[in-house]
Amino acid sequence: QSALTQPASVSGSPGQSITISCTGTSSDVGSYNLVSWYQQHPGKAPKLLIFEGTKRPSGVSNRFSGSKSGNTASLTISGLQAEDEADYYCCSYAGSRIYVFGTGTKVTVL
Amino acid sequence: QVQLQQSGPGLVKPSQTLSLTCAISGDSVSSNSAAWNWIRQSPSRGLEWLGRTYYRSEWGNDYAASVKSRIIINPDTSKNQFSLQLDSVTPEDTAVYYCARDILSGTPEWGQGTLVTVSS
Repeated sequence: QSALTQPASVSGSPGQSITISCTGTSSDVGSYNLVSWYQQHPGKAPKLLIFEGTKRPSGVSNRFSGSKSGNTASLTISGLQAEDEADYYCCSYAGSRIYVFGTGTKVTVL
Repeated sequence: QVQLQQSGPGLVKPSQTLSLTCAISGDSVSSNSAAWNWIRQSPSRGLEWLGRTYYRSEWGNDYAASVKSRIIINPDTSKNQFSLQLDSVTPEDTAVYYCARDILSGTPEWGQGTLVTVSS
């Protein structure tokens, strides 16, 4: 099972919106609404932002939103803030009781 | 409130077995609805799901193909914890190892992470 493909880096200015893509295949992202997005600051464990593709857990800012089209899931961060500077990872169910993570995206706030 | 507390050595010699434990508080390793995972993270491989254990009227395990031949994840109901054993380690197994509950759910919980270095 290959890792899901994410851009290595995305940047934006404060207040802007950015979108991070997570491209898989018809065997994982394309077949299931089971994609989660995690934010990770240096030295910390990943923190959940989105689950089941579009759902936000309580306590997560509504500036974070998820979507999916075909084999690609996306995370959009609106109103970019300095604290959003971190690494972001997608994770998907891949069938046969297996999970797969994305390659990770470093977000830089300019 | 669920908490996961990891323990285990931070240095393992090549060809030996890596062993880590994840102690659970606030939930049960025998829960019929939870799954208990091990994930690792390295600069070269990013986040990598290794496998999980779960109880659904009987115990089950699922493992990533990349480590399937040398991994065992075991529950310990007497201590409410689960463990990771990874055999025949090489320097490529050097990583931060995390235990976690239900990583695709709306209420995942992660351990604090353990840096394991494989070196002689």
